[in-house]
Amino acid sequence: GQQLNQSPQSMFIQEGEDVSMNCTSSSIFNTWLWYKQDPGEGPVLLIALYKAGELTSNGRLTAQFGITRKDSFLNISASIPSDVGIYFCAGPNNNDMRFGAGTRLTVKP
Amino acid sequence: NAGVTQTPKFRILKIGQSMTLQCTQDMNHNYMYWYRQDPGMGLKLIYYSVGAGITDKGEVPNGYNVSRSTTEDFPLRLELAAPSQTSVYFCASSYMGDTQYFGPGTRLTVL
Repeated sequence: GQQLNQSPQSMFIQEGEDVSMNCTSSSIFNTWLWYKQDPGEGPVLLIALYKAGELTSNGRLTAQFGITRKDSFLNISASIPSDVGIYFCAGPNNNDMRFGAGTRLTVKP
Repeated sequence: NAGVTQTPKFRILKIGQSMTLQCTQDMNHNYMYWYRQDPGMGLKLIYYSVGAGITDKGEVPNGYNVSRSTTEDFPLRLELAAPSQTSVYFCASSYMGDTQYFGPGTRLTVL
């Protein structure tokens, strides 16, 4: 099945720094989704991308849908301690949904 | 709206026992899903449903069963629990099949 490869696996940054993570696939996706999961909680949708080349922001978060439709990236600007968590990319495959393995973000105050 | 609710939050089972994980959503979503998340991993789809009376297998269905008799409920059944089923289970729902809303999860340990 379609696999989503996320990188990096983990990041340790200082509060105030910007963060960038990405997700790639060997297959085309028509939608890219970015979720955040806090410890002990279910994933929460951050940004949804529906069109190749689309650049969408949600507060300090910006995500882009790659032109080839095989990749997407998520940027977080001016990180704060509450940004800590695991960030997942996901893409629907017909009625299925594939998730990347996640990028674990740690923010040091 | 409560969104997606799951019960129980935690459960410990002995090998061979059975149990049902409950999931309910009050958003009138057609699509519902069950995922498992192993430590340090992403989510893997177990089963999904596109509407009442319709279910289909996901990526890792073995050892599980589901039913969808109503729009609101989508229970997941484990018949013969095995240690490999120790995981955190998430239920999710979606209106059109793209953006999904997740429940808080059920943490299951099989000893």
